[in-house]
Amino acid sequence: NAGVTQTPKFRVLKTGQSMTLLCAQDMNHEYMYWYRQDPGMGLRLIHYSVGEGTTAKGEVPDGYNVSRSTTEDFPLRLLSAAPSQTSVYFCASSYSRGRGGEYFGAGTRLSVL
Amino acid sequence: SQQGEEDPQALSIQEGENATMNCSYKTSINNLQWYRQNSGRGLVHLILIRSNEREKHSGRLRVTLDTSKKSSSLLITASRAADTASYFCATFSNFGNEKLTFGTGTRLTIIP
Repeated sequence: NAGVTQTPKFRVLKTGQSMTLLCAQDMNHEYMYWYRQDPGMGLRLIHYSVGEGTTAKGEVPDGYNVSRSTTEDFPLRLLSAAPSQTSVYFCASSYSRGRGGEYFGAGTRLSVL
Repeated sequence: SQQGEEDPQALSIQEGENATMNCSYKTSINNLQWYRQNSGRGLVHLILIRSNEREKHSGRLRVTLDTSKKSSSLLITASRAADTASYFCATFSNFGNEKLTFGTGTRLTIIP
């Protein structure tokens, strides 16, 4: 099993550009999450999904869009990148919400100039 | 503000010594989890302790939970260089919205 796979690992964008961060898991987990990690802030939840066809907002959803058309995939879209979105983005999945561990991808380091 | 606050923010110890990290939180929880993050990598789940448990062990890890003080500690015994990482506590609450909230982490450095 590959676990949670994120692509790309690094990306540099110009302000106003759009991009999609890809996330795929092969553990048949119902729950999937997108977090951003900033220095001194811990991880903050952007969006999450409790199963195919569902999405929900997390703590910091503005400027981001997600969809869940399959159990395996949970892409994160930046609609119009801003410097404030410079961060490290982590995708995670779990078999239940909060009652067991979450499995994390290796992260995408994004810089917006 | 973060639900979980780790203390200390950074810790350096000699290999073989024990490392203790603390986590304090503010609201009622269902469980508390500890994660490790190696530099440039994703988080790895280490251990989960439920609100009705006081202590839990996993290998060289020992976690305690004091719900009256809203605090938890993670003890790593006989530390190794490979334990160098950041450690995060995360609290889960399903009172109202289900929410897993991460703290800001403790950076642990093991000196060979």
